[in-house]
Amino acid sequence: AQRVTQPEKLLSVFKGAPVELKCNYSYSGSPELFWYVQYSRQRLQLLLRHISRESIKGFTADLNKGETSFHLKKPFAQEEDSAMYYCALSGGNTGTASKLTFGTGTRLQVTL
Amino acid sequence: NAGVTQTPKFRILKIGQSMTLQCTQDMNHNYMYWYRQDPGMGLKLIYYSVGAGITDKGEVPNGYNVSRSTTEDFPLRLELAAPSQTSVYFCASSIQGGGNTEAFFGQGTRLTVV
Repeated sequence: AQRVTQPEKLLSVFKGAPVELKCNYSYSGSPELFWYVQYSRQRLQLLLRHISRESIKGFTADLNKGETSFHLKKPFAQEEDSAMYYCALSGGNTGTASKLTFGTGTRLQVTL
Repeated sequence: NAGVTQTPKFRILKIGQSMTLQCTQDMNHNYMYWYRQDPGMGLKLIYYSVGAGITDKGEVPNGYNVSRSTTEDFPLRLELAAPSQTSVYFCASSIQGGGNTEAFFGQGTRLTVV
């Protein structure tokens, strides 16, 4: 069975401080990992996926298969980063549905 | 560009009542999904569809039914509402299957069963 664990319900940081949102996963195959974000009064939306290896809004995430982790990082937090962040895993193959398993989410609160 | 639209946004049901949560998308996506999110928990997959006329169960299908008569619409039916179905429901769609596909979400329906 696949599982995603986000150990922190709330992460509070000061503006300009580094951010690391933790995500660990359990999956027997080769996983596809995502970070989704939900800003206040907005819908859940994709932030980044590991296969793209890109930086979005200053955020990066590296898949560490040895530690089964996919932590989300940003060197300098901004107020507009305050949101709910969900780590998600998909084990589907091409042609099958992209069924996602979500973590419980971490609320990031950036204060002045 | 509406994307994925869910109605209603909020609903209160009495135990034993039935209702249909509507979901429609205008992106011509073949794949559609229904998730529920209980307080403090992650989203869990209820049902999904890989195309018109094809649906399948997800992780938590009990108490729900779905249909997919068109590419655009994927309604979720609750036949006999129970307090355990109090949750926030999210509909999503994706252009294709496969593990690397981005899902597009609706704004959610907050359902309370009393």
